[in-house]
Amino acid sequence: GIQVEQSPPDLILQEGANSTLRCNFSDSVNNLQWFHQNPWGQLINLFYIPSGTKQNGRLSATTVATERYSLLYISSSQTTDSGVYFCAVYANAGKSTFGDGTTLTVKP
Amino acid sequence: DAGVTQSPTHLIKTRGQQVTLRCSPKSGHDTVSWYQQALGQGPQFIFQYYEEEERQRGNFPDRFSGHQFPNYSSELNVNALLLGDSALYLCASTRESGRWPTDTQYFGPGTRLTVL
Repeated sequence: GIQVEQSPPDLILQEGANSTLRCNFSDSVNNLQWFHQNPWGQLINLFYIPSGTKQNGRLSATTVATERYSLLYISSSQTTDSGVYFCAVYANAGKSTFGDGTTLTVKP
Repeated sequence: DAGVTQSPTHLIKTRGQQVTLRCSPKSGHDTVSWYQQALGQGPQFIFQYYEEEERQRGNFPDRFSGHQFPNYSSELNVNALLLGDSALYLCASTRESGRWPTDTQYFGPGTRLTVL
């Protein structure tokens, strides 16, 4: 099956810093989503982005499907950005594969 | 607009028992997927239901089964529980668009299952 690798596994930032999270996938996909999982386990949609670039406030994402990677950018990070960020890809009729996530800690 | 809801929130069972978890999809959604998330890992796809049938299945044994009702809600059943089944179980819904779901997938808050 398709493999999804996220990097880095852990990231510690000071408040106000910028960061880039990466998601590599091993095969062609129909779509890709980025999620933020809060400390209570809730997965929150950030982007649905099978290709191209999207922005939402301080967050933006870019997927280059032909090169099989996606990037999530967080600018001017805040303590509330802390949590685990997951990339999920969808290849076959809705079957999805998640990466192992990047754990982000933003220190005040 | 109600989002995805799951019940119960927490559950404690003993080895060998059976458990049923429930999920109601977001309004307007007709496709439900179930995931298992062990501590420190990403969610793993269990199966997906559309039009009351299992459409896709991940690498999970037959002890894991499910059902979708005409109102699109769904149940996940796990028989003969093992200690390793302890995890957060997540339900996600989406809207069928074309041949298979291509729309954004929304997740419920999860059910945390502990097997003793």
